[in-house]
Amino acid sequence: QVQLVESGGGVVQPGGSLRLSCAATGFPFTSFNNFAMYWVRQAPGKGLEWVAYVRYDGSNKRYADSVKGRFSIFRDNSKDMLYLEMKNVRPDDSGTYYCAKDRGIVVVPAAPDDLHFDSWGQGALVIVSS
Amino acid sequence: IVMTQSPGTLSVSPGERVTLSCRASQSVRNNVAWYQQRPGQPLRLLIYGASSRATEVPGRFSGSGSETDFTLTISSLQSEDFAVYYCQQYNDWPLTFGGGAKVETK
Repeated sequence: QVQLVESGGGVVQPGGSLRLSCAATGFPFTSFNNFAMYWVRQAPGKGLEWVAYVRYDGSNKRYADSVKGRFSIFRDNSKDMLYLEMKNVRPDDSGTYYCAKDRGIVVVPAAPDDLHFDSWGQGALVIVSS
Repeated sequence: IVMTQSPGTLSVSPGERVTLSCRASQSVRNNVAWYQQRPGQPLRLLIYGASSRATEVPGRFSGSGSETDFTLTISSLQSEDFAVYYCQQYNDWPLTFGGGAKVETK
């Protein structure tokens, strides 16, 4: 049973920076580096918004337009860790940030990702406020 | 691609049949997933490929549809099914979610 645990949330001032981490454990017969990973956020009382994607080996990344140029997703497969570096944050970046795992396993390098999520963390709360 | 869910809130009793709709602003083929969000619980994948049940999802959950119109059906609502449900398209970037549909107790 895959478990994802986010950390690093907190209160940050507008224009500030924050790094979120996601520790992944419990990969039966597979490993963290077989799966694409994502960050998805949820503003208080609102719906879900996809934020960022990274391929299993870090070779490809994508971002929502709302965070492009300010946020950076990266992973350390040697530590089974996913990160989101947030810079120049704004009040509308406030919310709960979820780490999520792609449903599809990459067994050959060219295999496409499923682009939907079968494991989620409990979330890390980020509040951007002065 | 904008995903529009309806209704926003549904008031139902246990045992009732529930049908939630999701409409895409353009064709997404069958590249739609459904998720359940309950307080204090991780989000849960229910359906992918518009109609395939995810691992360990009970048979009372079913999905249907293609192109622009999709449906999540709960055949007989159980107490643990009171939650918010989201559809997501993954046919094209950016990945987008519907606004959510809350199933609450009547």
